[in-house]
Amino acid sequence: KQEVTQIPAALSVPEGENLVLNCSFTDSAIYNLQWFRQDPGKGLTSLLLIQSSQREQTSGRLNASLDKSSGRSTLYIAASQPGDSATYLCALNAGNMLTFGGGTRLMVKP
Amino acid sequence: GAGVSQTPSNKVTEKGKYVELRCDPISGHTALYWYRQSLGQGPEFLIYFQGTGAADDSGLPNDRFFAVRPEGSVSTLKIQRTERGDSAVYLCASSSRHADTQYFGPGTRLTVL
Repeated sequence: KQEVTQIPAALSVPEGENLVLNCSFTDSAIYNLQWFRQDPGKGLTSLLLIQSSQREQTSGRLNASLDKSSGRSTLYIAASQPGDSATYLCALNAGNMLTFGGGTRLMVKP
Repeated sequence: GAGVSQTPSNKVTEKGKYVELRCDPISGHTALYWYRQSLGQGPEFLIYFQGTGAADDSGLPNDRFFAVRPEGSVSTLKIQRTERGDSAVYLCASSSRHADTQYFGPGTRLTVL
């Protein structure tokens, strides 16, 4: 059974810092990995999707990497802004379902 | 086009009652998924539809939970004899095909008193 762990569970940084969110997983037999953002009381917004054959994806200030051999993914956020404050979730896609980590709650202070 | 929509946005019911939660996927998406999210946790898989059929219902917690997608578009999640432990946000997602990017709706917050 796939297990997904996200560290840290919560993070508070001053505006402008570059930061890294970590996601580890136990089963590398996946189609892809998605990173989502969730604002309080809202649904999930897809940020990046990395296919199983890829090593990284970039979108604006976000860069996600995937290392299946070590069972790790990272989400790098450059020049963080208060508007980046949210919960970030990684999810592994085994085909029929996504398996989510518990999320990292990010607070970016002005 | 329009995203995934879910109704109602909030549902409050009493223990023992029956509830139905509706999901309208993105037009043309053949795959539809239901997840449940408890406070402070990541979503947990419930059921996956490919077209009209439930391709994987391994996440349904017990036989009080049932879902249908009769015409391969709208889906309804049905919960019988609700319990306080069923209180959670129920999320629906759709994708254009199996294993593709999943797009989520805003969720239905279910509260069982």
